[in-house]
Order: sequence, then C-alpha cells, then structure tokens
Amino acid sequence: QSVLTQPPSVTAAPGQTVTISCSGSSPNIGNNHVSWYQQLPGTAPKLLFYENNKRPSGIPDRFSASKSGTSATLGITGLQTEDEADYYCGAWDSRLGSGVFGGGTRVTVL
Amino acid sequence: QVQLQQGGAYLLKPSETLSLTCGVSGGSLSGFFWSWVRQSPGKGLEWIGEIHHSGDTNYSPSLKSRVSVSMDTSTNQFSLNLRSLTAADTAVYYCARVVDFYYYMDVWGRGTTVTVSS
Repeated sequence: QSVLTQPPSVTAAPGQTVTISCSGSSPNIGNNHVSWYQQLPGTAPKLLFYENNKRPSGIPDRFSASKSGTSATLGITGLQTEDEADYYCGAWDSRLGSGVFGGGTRVTVL
Repeated sequence: QVQLQQGGAYLLKPSETLSLTCGVSGGSLSGFFWSWVRQSPGKGLEWIGEIHHSGDTNYSPSLKSRVSVSMDTSTNQFSLNLRSLTAADTAVYYCARVVDFYYYMDVWGRGTTVTVSS
C-alpha cells in the first residue's frame, strides 16, 4: 500500500486530455513539494515536474502539474502515443522521515 | 552533465547480502543527497534510502533494519547494502540524485536487475 494514492490506470484517445490525481496527507504533500516522474516501458523513471509545477527543460508544455492542499494533479493535453507510460508522484514525508511515491498510473493511448 | 553508472544483473540466494554501487560522472557528490529506489516486477517505485555528502542518511522505515547506504568521495561512488535477502527483494534497483530542498530526483541510473532465488 503506497503512502500516496494514484488511480491504477487511465485511457484516452490521441488528442484528448487526461488527468492523474495523487492524494496524500499533511506530512507529505500537505507540507512538502511534489514531483512527478514518467517511466516509459523498460526504462528508468524520468523527472517530469519538480517543486509542484516546474517543468525541467525538454518537457513539452502539453504536460502540466498542480498542487492543492494534500493532493496533486498531473495533466496531459493533446495526448500522443509516445505518452504511453507509467506516471508516479513523489514527495518527502516528514513523519516517516523518508521519500514516498504513489503507486503509479498507467496511461494507455487508444 | 551528471550521469549515474550502474552495473549488470545479479543473482543472489536467500539470506545473502546485496551490495550495489553507483558511479557518479560529470559532477561531484557535494551538495546533494544520493538515493536508491527499487521496483519489483510489475510493481511501482519503492524508496529505499539515501545519503548526503555530509554523511547524513535516511532509510525507509520498512527496510531500516536491513539496509545501509554509504559513499566514497575518493571514487565518486555511493553504495547500497541490503542484508538477509528474500525473494521479495527481487527488483530493479535504481540509483538517483536528489535535489534536497524541494525533494526531487533529477538524475537516474539505468537500473540493476537483482534476482533472489535458491
């Protein structure tokens, strides 16, 4: 059972918009920054967002992220087949004294 | 540009100890935490532990009794030791650089596959 809760999967057609939720609590998302990672099949995770909503260079602006209270959201607009991947949210948990991840959400492009 | 180098696959037996090393090239260990994350087959990411250049460490509460992370500044490497292995420790083990203040992992190794089987 992951500390951060994500839906297991989302499916949409090319060109559509998907959102992925990440629900936590006060010790993690509520009081710390959220990051998001994209993991393409068979590869290592890649940083997608840091500090709740900041995009590293090279990440398309089709991707967006936000945080409110103890939850965070990742959005993908204009979905492309290359966006098929697993997406994870992450944060520091001040109560556990450890990093924590969500269980991951698989995005499938029909 | 910082890169993290990880070795090949490992096959270990139950009760043995896993020792992994991550080499840092293109930069030094200074100013960051250096972490280990694993992913069991078909599962999500699991945070294991980390070490700061100062020597401070943090470990997952569920693994704390079996894990240690160390670093060698002379060789620009950091290491993971995981004792008393069981089949549940079978996973791909990733090393990653952590930007501490905002807590995110911006550089990742390619991963090492570890199989624990008798």
